[in-house]
Formats: sequence, structure tokens, C-alpha cells
Amino acid sequence: DAKTTQPPSMDCAEGRAANLPCNHSTISGNEYVYWYRQIHSQGPQYIIHGLKNNETNEMASLIITEDRKSSTLILPHATLRDTAVYYCIVRVYNTDKLIFGTGTRLQVFP
Amino acid sequence: DVKVTQSSRYLVKRTGEKVFLECVQDMDHENMFWYRQDPGLGLRLIYFSYDVKMKEKGDIPEGYSVSREKKERFSLILESASTNQTSMYLCASAERAAGVNEQFFGPGTRLTVL
Repeated sequence: DAKTTQPPSMDCAEGRAANLPCNHSTISGNEYVYWYRQIHSQGPQYIIHGLKNNETNEMASLIITEDRKSSTLILPHATLRDTAVYYCIVRVYNTDKLIFGTGTRLQVFP
Repeated sequence: DVKVTQSSRYLVKRTGEKVFLECVQDMDHENMFWYRQDPGLGLRLIYFSYDVKMKEKGDIPEGYSVSREKKERFSLILESASTNQTSMYLCASAERAAGVNEQFFGPGTRLTVL
């Protein structure tokens, strides 16, 4: 079973920041938080991951709360091409499996 | 760039047929995965392989088998296709348990079983 909870859908205006929440209240100390997204008719694509520190790359920022029970993926300036389903996944370090939930469908509108 | 290719984007088969879905990756990854994706259920892991001739069951292996004779190729086999196997099938590859463990996905095969 997926170990994360996400809202089923969200909207965001183009150019604004999109903040996608994820609850992972049962996360263990050695489990990482991963984010993937799936644009329509494509396979999922890795975005970012983190353990306990906030992380940033060219695609997004990941903010993990101090107790690690929740996190937020931030797309700083959403574009129409960011419309996709976003998956938050908890993964045990050094294991190979990812357990995908049903994700959040983000709709970016003009 | 990593490239994961799948043999077909769309496939239509009849109940009872044997179906082969092929996946090839070009980055020498040890791990390969087969998922199916259904509306409201997200992606579910069917099988994965961490080396040639090695396989492990995922969450929903019933009705499926796999074959990995070469490192770059991972095949999903439906021995006798049934209508409840109509789905989108996604293949992925990754380095073995590396720090990032980024999985690279193919474009998917939409299988319809009539």
C-alpha cells in the first residue's frame, strides 16, 4: 500500500507557484521522499527526492517538515506544461522498489 | 540520455492469446520493472528484475510472467490474456539501489484484450 496521502486534484494559475502537499505520517528514519510526475500519455518522470533537508534542483523545490511527517513540492513558476499527475513516494534507502499512490492531478490554467 | 523503449504503443489481443510486451533500455541498468496503470489505482508493480535471469514478484504478479535473458531487455508475458488485463503497461529501468534510484520510464503500451 502507498504510504503517502495527497489531494486528488489542484489548480494553479500560470506563472504562480504551485505548492503540492504530501502527508507521510508513518515515515521511518531511513525512508526518502521522492516526487515523480506523469504528463498525459507519457511515462512518469523523476523530479526530486530528499531525506530531511530541503532540496532544490532546476525543476522544483522540496520542503520537508522537521518531524518529516509531511512535505511540499514547489514549482516556483508553473507553466501550462507542468499540467500533470504528481506522485509523492516514500522509499527505503537502498531498496529498489517504488510504491506509487494515485497522486495529485495539477491543472495549470492561463 | 537514458532511453527506455517499448515494442508497441497500442496492442489489441483476444482472450486466451499469449501476449509478449518487450522493453529495451540503453543505459546498462541492472534493474528493470514492469508496472500496470489503471484509472483510480495509480501504478502497480507487477515484476522487477535486478539482474539477468533474476526476477522478483511485485504487488500484482498473478497472470503474468517475465523473462530477462539479456541485461538490456525485459519481457512481460501474459500466458493467456484475459479482459481484466486490459491496461496501460509501463516499463522502467534504474541503476541498482544507487543513492538517487531514479527510475526511467518508457512511453507505455496500451493493451486491450477483447
